[in-house]
Order: sequence, then structure tokens, then C-alpha cells
Amino acid sequence: QKEVEQNSGPLSVPEGAIASLNCTYSDRGSQSFFWYRQYSGKSPELIMSIYSNGDKEDGRFTAQLNKASQYVSLLIRDSQPSDSATYLCAVKGTGTYKYIFGTGTRLKVLA
Amino acid sequence: KAGVTQTPRYLIKTRGQQVTLSCSPISGHRSVSWYQQTPGQGLQFLFEYFSETQRNKGNFPGRFSGRQFSNSRSEMNVSTLELGDSALYLCASRPDGNSNQPQHFGDGTRLSIL
Repeated sequence: QKEVEQNSGPLSVPEGAIASLNCTYSDRGSQSFFWYRQYSGKSPELIMSIYSNGDKEDGRFTAQLNKASQYVSLLIRDSQPSDSATYLCAVKGTGTYKYIFGTGTRLKVLA
Repeated sequence: KAGVTQTPRYLIKTRGQQVTLSCSPISGHRSVSWYQQTPGQGLQFLFEYFSETQRNKGNFPGRFSGRQFSNSRSEMNVSTLELGDSALYLCASRPDGNSNQPQHFGDGTRLSIL
């Protein structure tokens, strides 16, 4: 079992719809969770950090964390073609300084 | 505030050569991590430095090494290059040893091995 798992996609949604991206992790003691966006040929860009169970909203983005079920998700409301990118989930494990990344989900927003 | 700066942006080498990549973290950031990104493997952790000390190392052969200087700048060295080392090498920094803080990435160095 991979430490951080994401569906590779592509996930295709029409413009204006809600895109839902999911991530599961294996280390039950993990405390810190991050979502990055990576455009093709570019480096990852931090979108959201979340540390507590529940929802955290920032503009059109909402991160959801459920530690009991060991998953974290990212919702993008009113999706735009400019949101088309690969979204990486990162988890900071227990007792380590290492951040584990999922392989990313490719999102395509269709105009 | 300037972001993470990586040099060079692009590099072409041949098998057997060695290469040194440089990373200047965001001003005030003392933790620097290195990652290798390939289409098939995603982001793979290489190592992390804090206060000139390597705190964590990924599962890469000893050909991959790094160091950090007193000004927090870091270098990564790969010796005896192999075709499989072709990848995007990313450096990320964060302020200090607080493990909850997110990392911020540089633009990367794209290394091609011929």
C-alpha cells in the first residue's frame, strides 16, 4: 500500500462545476496535510494547508480532512479552464521531517 | 520577498559525468528539501537539510548527495550520471524545524542525460 494515494485521473469536469479531488494516507498519526497545484512544466504551488478535522475554505477552494478515515479532499467550486492542472496531496508523517507526496490527480476543466 | 531560486534551470549531461545543482531558499527559511520528479514516479524525496545537517534521506543511491551552507543555501550533487537520472529536480524550503509548516518550491532544474 502506498503511503499517500491519489487517483491519477484525468478527472474531467465542465466549466462552472465542482471538482472533487481525493487523497488517502496510511500513517494514522499524520498531522499536517497540504494540497499543491502543478501546471505542466512548472513547479508545485501551495494551495491549502489543513491540520484539523473538518473543512477549511479559501476562496473557491475547500479542503476537507477526516483523520478517522484517513482521507483528505480538495473541492474546487466554479471550476475554470485555468484550474486544469495536476493536484498533488502531501502528508507530513509521524516522527519524521519528510513530506510524502501522492502521484497527483490530473484535472481537466472543459470550457 | 524572493521565492526559492534554483540554478541552473536546464542542464544537459552525458552518462558518467557528475552534476551540481544549487538552491537558495526564501530569505529566513532554514530548512531545504530536495525532490526528484519523473512522469512515472511522481515526486520522490531525496533529502532534507536544516542548520547544515541532513535530517532525513530518501531511498536513493549514494551517488546522490547534498550539503547546506551556513547561509541556508543548499547544493545537490549527482555523480556517475545514468540515463535514469533524467528528471526535474525540485528544491523546497520552509522557515524552520516546525514540522507543520508547508514547503515552498523553486522552479526546478531540468536535467537531461544523453
